[in-house]
Amino acid sequence: QVQLQESGPGLVKPSGTLSLTCAVSGGSISSDNWWSWVRQSPGKGLEWIGEVHHTGTTNYNPSLRSRLSLSLDKSSNQFALKVAFVTAADTALYFCATRADFWSGYFDSWGQGILVTVSS
Amino acid sequence: DIQMTQFPSSLSASVGDRVTITCRASQSITSYLNWYQQKPGRAPKLLIYAASSLQSGVPSRFSASGSGTDFTLAINSLQPEDFATYYCQQGYSAPWTFGQGTKVEVK
Repeated sequence: QVQLQESGPGLVKPSGTLSLTCAVSGGSISSDNWWSWVRQSPGKGLEWIGEVHHTGTTNYNPSLRSRLSLSLDKSSNQFALKVAFVTAADTALYFCATRADFWSGYFDSWGQGILVTVSS
Repeated sequence: DIQMTQFPSSLSASVGDRVTITCRASQSITSYLNWYQQKPGRAPKLLIYAASSLQSGVPSRFSASGSGTDFTLAINSLQPEDFATYYCQQGYSAPWTFGQGTKVEVK
């Protein structure tokens, strides 16, 4: 299984852009894996944000689609998340995760998570 | 979107108990149902995939069953390390969705 590690600012101002990166080790980002982001608001459940494949194909949660951008950097074996126009409701623990291929609808590797707070 | 409903939302149990958690999908997801365990401040850990397949390294006291819309996770002989929150997740179609979680607490 691959190992994943999130990084990025822990504090973002309202109306700003949240930007996170997930470093992949123990495997190639150009494999058949789909690379996802999942978040968890304080005291709440898990919300899938979106995913990207090395072919450039993306799937987004419709509830966030208009503010989302997912990308891959093959040279650094990383993938990234941007969420625009953030509000306090975007405060959450953000995880990167992966599923092995198109037919595997389960996430078998997860990063440790990074807490992002939206506040002025 | 496919809605996932878990019940109960919490339960109290003792070490050695058998515990069952139920998950219901808003439409048929055949066997595309997965279970995760999460401890506070930690990432979810995959326990069961494809409704009943035990992920490598997961103790055999965990088992699951179901198909269509109704699924069950069972923990036989609950151990101290099993007190956690459990989530179901449908892998049938994107957007991938999770149940709201079931917290297993110490009685």
